[in-house]
Amino acid sequence: EDQVTQSPEALRLQEGESSSLNCSYTVSGLRGLFWYRQDPGKGPEFLFTLYSAGEEKEKERLKATLTKKESFLHITAPKPEDSATYLCAPQGYNQGGKLIFGQGTELSVKP
Amino acid sequence: DVKVTQSSRYLVKRTGEKVFLECVQDMDHENMFWYRQDPGLGLRLIYFSYDVKMKEKGDIPEGYSVSREKKERFSLILESASTNQTSMYLCASSFGAGELFFGEGSRLTVL
Repeated sequence: EDQVTQSPEALRLQEGESSSLNCSYTVSGLRGLFWYRQDPGKGPEFLFTLYSAGEEKEKERLKATLTKKESFLHITAPKPEDSATYLCAPQGYNQGGKLIFGQGTELSVKP
Repeated sequence: DVKVTQSSRYLVKRTGEKVFLECVQDMDHENMFWYRQDPGLGLRLIYFSYDVKMKEKGDIPEGYSVSREKKERFSLILESASTNQTSMYLCASSFGAGELFFGEGSRLTVL
């Protein structure tokens, strides 16, 4: 059965304090792994798609990496506006266009 | 930019009422999805559709039905609302196996 686990559930950082969020997955035949950002009361906003182990993608202070079993979202020198819940979603070849979402990591960055 | 519009941001209904949640996308995507999101449970797939008049059950279809009469519109129907259907409902669309684009969400409260 396909599964995805995100850790930690919640992360509190001081502004400028870099850290990483983890997404562990078990999917038969990974087609891609998606990262989303979700602000309170809003729908998830797409950030990245990673397709193969070793791939990296960056956007401002965020960098996503992928291995065969995990993905990491590295946050460098975060700012308060980076506070949000970050969701990962692996997609297998046998799932069509569906995504299975992790429960997310709630990030809080204090000034 | 892709725009996914959900008809109501907030709804309050009574137990036993029939509830319609409407979703419209403007990018000619063939895939559309309905998820619900609850604290501690994450996003769970209710129904999805790969084409007009086609629908497939997701992980939690009980108590729900859907309708897709036109490509751009995907409706979620609660035939007889119950209190355990109080939740945030998120509609999404995608092209092929690409990233999902989400609407702003509809927060439903069933009294």
